[in-house]
Parts: sequence; C-alpha cells; structure tokens
Amino acid sequence: DIQMTQSPSSLSASVGDRVTITCRASQSIYSHLNWYQQKPGKAPKLLIYAASSLQSGVPSRFSGSGSGTEFTLTISSLQPEDFATYYCQQSYRTPPITFGQGTRLEIK
Amino acid sequence: EVQLVESGGGLVQPGGSLRLSCTASGFTFSNYWMTWVRQAPGKGLEWVANIKQDGSQKYYVGSVKGRFSISRDNAKNSLFLQMSSLRAEDTAVYYCARDPCGGDCYSDYFDSWGQGTLVTVSS
Repeated sequence: DIQMTQSPSSLSASVGDRVTITCRASQSIYSHLNWYQQKPGKAPKLLIYAASSLQSGVPSRFSGSGSGTEFTLTISSLQPEDFATYYCQQSYRTPPITFGQGTRLEIK
Repeated sequence: EVQLVESGGGLVQPGGSLRLSCTASGFTFSNYWMTWVRQAPGKGLEWVANIKQDGSQKYYVGSVKGRFSISRDNAKNSLFLQMSSLRAEDTAVYYCARDPCGGDCYSDYFDSWGQGTLVTVSS
C-alpha cells in the first residue's frame, strides 16, 4: 500500500498569510494526488485534483504543485473561512485509496 | 445539484450488523463509481470500499474484507454498505462519495460527498 505523510500535522497562521502544506508519498504516484478541505462536523470538500487542477468553484488562492513523491498545497492569502483540516489522497496505485493523516490549520 | 444522503447509522453491539444506505440525486447514478469513506472520532479519513457502475467490481480496505459488503441498486439510485461482525474500531462517521468520472472510467478521487452517518459500536 502507498503511505501518504503530511507535514506539518498542525499549523498556526494569521489572516493574509501565505501557507504551504506538504504531502509525501512512499513511492512515486506521478501526478495522482488530490487535496481536500474539511471543516468541523462537515464532509470533506475537493479542492485540487491531479496535483494541480483546481476543482470548479474553489477560490484561486488555492493551488497545488508537485509530482512523483512530493506535493504541496499553497494558500496564497489566508481567509477566515480557510481555517480547517486539509487532507491529501493518492489515486495512483489502488486499491487501497489512501489519505494523509491531515493537517490542522488554526488561527494564530 | 448533486446530492448524497446517507442513512442507517446508529448504536450497535460488538459482533452485530448494520446496513447503511446512500440515496443519490441530481446526476445519473448508474454512470459513476461510488465509494464509502469513514472517519473515526477525532481521526483522519479512511477509504472503506468502492463499487463499479454496474456492480461488477468491488474493492475493500483490508480491515473490513470478509465483514463488509458494498452493493448498489441503480434503479433506486442507492448505494449500500452491509456491515457485520462489527468491532469497536469500526466506530466512525461513514460518508458516501462519488468518483467524478462518469462513463466507462474511474478517477479514484471524490468530487461529491454526503453529510455522513454515525456508526457507534459499543456494548
């Protein structure tokens, strides 16, 4: 199974900050990497698919990059509604489909 | 508008069984792979199982193989998860989710999710 590891596990930042979250795969997954946002008590929401493609309706301050084993999710200017938990997920070698452990983004 | 609504969660004793349902609307259900994902309290997301458009292919995470069964009824726009021999570690919110690739394809990521249904396994 492909293991996904996110860093950091938690992060404190302020409105307006630029934030980067990293996701590493245990082997190459090419560009088969997806990012989700989850707010407390809510279902996850797809943000980025295929490493860098922005899902329809997602603000352009969100961007994704990377290939192979290392990927990043960047929020260019944090907004109050962006404080949430973020998960990466690989869709290359399945089953099983695997997620990272999550990165909790908190208000500083 | 795509909508997925789960139901069937509740409290069940260890060793018991439960059947979850997910009713879909707003899209042609029979064209899409469908998936169950779960989240234990305070924990991350775990893929559980998925099923092909016509039900001919089904896949499971190792921890539920032989205990859970995924199925679908395309005529009723419904997805199911039959869970048996339940354990405390199966306690979680269970989400149904849609693979965005409609047609003879799959993407293995999820563009639409239900609100989830809570399963609690406890005596």
